Amino acid sequence: EAQVTQNPRYLITVTGKKLTVTCSQNMNHEYMSWYRQDPGLGLRQIYYSMNVEVTDKGDVPEGYKVSRKEKRNFPLILESPSPNQTSLYFCASSFRGNSPLHFGNGTRLTVT
Amino acid sequence: EDQVTQSPEALRLQEGESSSLNCSYTVSGLRGLFWYRQDPGKGPEFLFTLYSAGEEKEKERLKATLTKKESFLHITAPKPEDSATYLCAVQAGSSASKIIFGSGTRLSIRP
Repeated sequence: EAQVTQNPRYLITVTGKKLTVTCSQNMNHEYMSWYRQDPGLGLRQIYYSMNVEVTDKGDVPEGYKVSRKEKRNFPLILESPSPNQTSLYFCASSFRGNSPLHFGNGTRLTVT
Repeated sequence: EDQVTQSPEALRLQEGESSSLNCSYTVSGLRGLFWYRQDPGKGPEFLFTLYSAGEEKEKERLKATLTKKESFLHITAPKPEDSATYLCAVQAGSSASKIIFGSGTRLSIRP
């Protein structure tokens, strides 16, 4: 089944403790991206990747890192999480940058 | 500044009561407009892509239309299973990676 898989689904952590949210797609898509979704603000792009080893900032990249060493994986790294990063995070992929996005089921992160 | 605005924020309809959701945008160089459906606890699911003014797409009870300033998602004779949040997204400018989402419309259909 074609899908985007994110892990974990739920994560509660404390300020400053490094964490990684994994994202994997099995559709051989070139384009992958991360979004955060907050009430009233909609989906905002954090980082995106047009292909392996090619990444760039979205609208809200501060406090986040990404890497794209393999085509199928695009992990999101929070080196020192803060409470304002409490949010619902989505990974998405598409065949190309201007194709419809396929989304994972989200990771709900709480930073205390 | 590029902007996407959806209205209304929330809409409650009776089963069978047709209506429309609005997505207005101000962007430079529209490359495509996307509609997604999002169910609680899940990621958005793709519905339609529209590329140019005058274009229309249909799928079951849903029909999406596009003008130079806005898009409408028309829902004809909705059923309770159409209840969801509907998101509009615009791809604009010279970068294929720039996608701007609206805040969504929460649609609730009462039996």
